[in-house]
Amino acid sequence: AQTVTQSQPEMSVQEAETVTLSCTYDTSESDYYLFWYKQPPSRQMILVIRQEAYKQQNATENRFSVNFQKAAKSFSLKISDSQLGDAAMYFCAYRSSSRGGSNYKLTFGKGTLLTVNP
Amino acid sequence: DSGVTQTPKHLITATGQRVTLRCSPRSGDLSVYWYQQSLDQGLQFLIQYYNGEERAKGNILERFSAQQFPDLHSELNLSSLELGDSALYFCASSVMGNQPQHFGDGTRLSIL
Repeated sequence: AQTVTQSQPEMSVQEAETVTLSCTYDTSESDYYLFWYKQPPSRQMILVIRQEAYKQQNATENRFSVNFQKAAKSFSLKISDSQLGDAAMYFCAYRSSSRGGSNYKLTFGKGTLLTVNP
Repeated sequence: DSGVTQTPKHLITATGQRVTLRCSPRSGDLSVYWYQQSLDQGLQFLIQYYNGEERAKGNILERFSAQQFPDLHSELNLSSLELGDSALYFCASSVMGNQPQHFGDGTRLSIL
């Protein structure tokens, strides 16, 4: 079974600064997807960014980028020019890309609570 | 707005009762997933439906059941409720199983 570990329960960053959230995962599969979801106090789950394991290029979405290290099974999220609206719980998630059955479920880490200080 | 609608937003009930949570997926999405978010267990996958058929089960209790109807909306039924069932229940949908999942706002269930 796949597991996802977020070792930082809480992080803080100054507005306009850069912060990196860590995520490691364990899997025996070679093809899969990784995601970062954001959950603000409103409790919505918002997809921030996704990475396909077969792609070597790191995904980027505006101020959000990832550092995907497949061999190390590491998937960190970098937030540049942090804004007050970035304050939220961030979840790292894994999903198999294999066909069938339970393979499309998301397996989540425990989350990292990000505080942005003005 | 993700396009996934969950009702009700809040539900307060007592132990031993039964409740039904409803989810309307995004237009065109055939897959529906249910997740439970609790302080103890974090976010856990419960069950998946695709075009009306059950496709996968996760850590779903026998007291819980779900179904997806011909119009693709889904319902999660929770019975013989216990204090530990208090949680935020999310529905997510995707076009197909291998596409990104988009989440509804969740139903907050409180058992008194």
